Amino acid sequence: EVQLLESGGGLVQPGGSLRLSCAASGFSFSSYAMTWVRQAPGKGLEWVSLIRGSTDRTDYADSVKGRFTISRDNSKNTVYLQMNSLRVEDTAIYFCAKTYSSGWYYFDSWGQGTLVTVSS
Amino acid sequence: EIVLTQSPGTLSLSPGERATLSCRASQSVYNNYLAWYQQKPGQAPRLLIHGASSRATGIPDRFSGSGSGTDFTLTISRLEPEDFAVYYCQHHGSSPPPFGQGTKVEIK
Repeated sequence: EVQLLESGGGLVQPGGSLRLSCAASGFSFSSYAMTWVRQAPGKGLEWVSLIRGSTDRTDYADSVKGRFTISRDNSKNTVYLQMNSLRVEDTAIYFCAKTYSSGWYYFDSWGQGTLVTVSS
Repeated sequence: EIVLTQSPGTLSLSPGERATLSCRASQSVYNNYLAWYQQKPGQAPRLLIHGASSRATGIPDRFSGSGSGTDFTLTISRLEPEDFAVYYCQHHGSSPPPFGQGTKVEIK
C-alpha cells in the first residue's frame, strides 16, 4: 500500500523559510516522479512543483519559481520542498503526491498534507 | 496554457440521483489527457479518472468519464452518501498541469 507522510509545516513570518518533507513507502520510490500540490484555505488545488525519479529534472509553477526548490533522496524514500522568501499568499495545505506518467503526469496517490501559514 | 472551467459551481442532488459534472478547456486537450479527482472535507484528493475515461484502481463503476477535445464530463450514475464532495478536473498533457476550480456536489 502506498503511503505518503508530509511533515515540516508550521507558522513562519513573511520572508522566512521552511522545508517540507514527504516520506514515501509501499512502492519503488526511485522509479516515480513526485510532486507537490497546494490548497489555500477554502480554495482549489494548485500544482507547485515536480521532480522526476531518475534524472532529478524539475518543474515549477511560475508563482514559486526562484523561491522554492524541490529535491529528493532516493536512499531515504523522501522528497523535499525548500521554501524561501515566503509570502502571505503561500499559506496553504501542501500535499505531496506520487505521479504516473501519461502525457505529462497525473497524481495517483496523495498524502494527507501539511499546513503552512505565512503571517506576521 | 490551457485553462479549465468547471460547471456548475455547486450541484444539489439527492442520494440515488445521477450527477453530471462538466469540465471545459480553453483549447483542445491533446490525446484527452484529462483527470478527475474527488476531495472530501479535511481529506486529500483522490484520483478517480485519467485519460478522460479510464477509472483509477479501486474506483466504483458508478463513476465514469467521457469527452474529447475541449468538453469533458464526469458522471456519477447513482449518488451514494459518500459521493458528496468536491470534484476537480486536471489536464495532465503538459506542464504546468492546470486544475479546474472545482464542482461541489451537495445533498439536496
